[in-house]
Amino acid sequence: NAGVTQTPKFQVLKTGQSMTLQCAQDMNHEYMSWYRQDPGMGLRLIHYSVGAGITDQGEVPNGYNVSRSTTEDFPLRLLSAAPSQTSVYFCASSPRGPTDTQYFGPGTRLTVL
Amino acid sequence: AQKVTQAQTEISVVEKEDVTLDCVYETRDTTYYLFWYKQPPSGELVFLIRRNSFDEQNEISGRYSWNFQKSTSSFNFTITASQVVDSAVYFCAWAGGYQKVTFGTGTKLQVIP
Repeated sequence: NAGVTQTPKFQVLKTGQSMTLQCAQDMNHEYMSWYRQDPGMGLRLIHYSVGAGITDQGEVPNGYNVSRSTTEDFPLRLLSAAPSQTSVYFCASSPRGPTDTQYFGPGTRLTVL
Repeated sequence: AQKVTQAQTEISVVEKEDVTLDCVYETRDTTYYLFWYKQPPSGELVFLIRRNSFDEQNEISGRYSWNFQKSTSSFNFTITASQVVDSAVYFCAWAGGYQKVTFGTGTKLQVIP
């Protein structure tokens, strides 16, 4: 039981490049979410999903896309990277919804030059 | 809108001192959940506690205790006899019926040997 996995752990991009951050969970959780963590700002919700085929925007969705084709996977796509997207990204999952305990992945540290 | 305030940005204590981390939330909901997570220097996010709004009993787990007071909208976290391993960033979070979790900005605790 791997829990929540994220790849890559580190990534450096140039402005304008696109990439996908991968997130997978093997706990059959319905709810998944993406957060970014910036100094002094805590964790801010980017996008979330309440089940396969259903996604919605969080607090800071601009510049990011998500999809949820399976229960297990919830990739986060950066369409055209900007320096403002330099951050640590965490994926999380919970059994049914946000009121359940969130299980977090190890994080991806992204730098956009 | 829901809001979680952790007014203490950084706290330093000497080992074996007790320390209380404050968390104040704003909500109009009657049903909600509160959480504490720990982020050690290694970067992962570790779940500590989950409480629902109907359960105001204080919780004790080893050296950790939590005081939930609806009258003051607070969910404070006390570490008794702090240890160097307690050094981390601690996040308080709120979740209700809106499919989203709201995190505070975190309190960085440094325990000095």
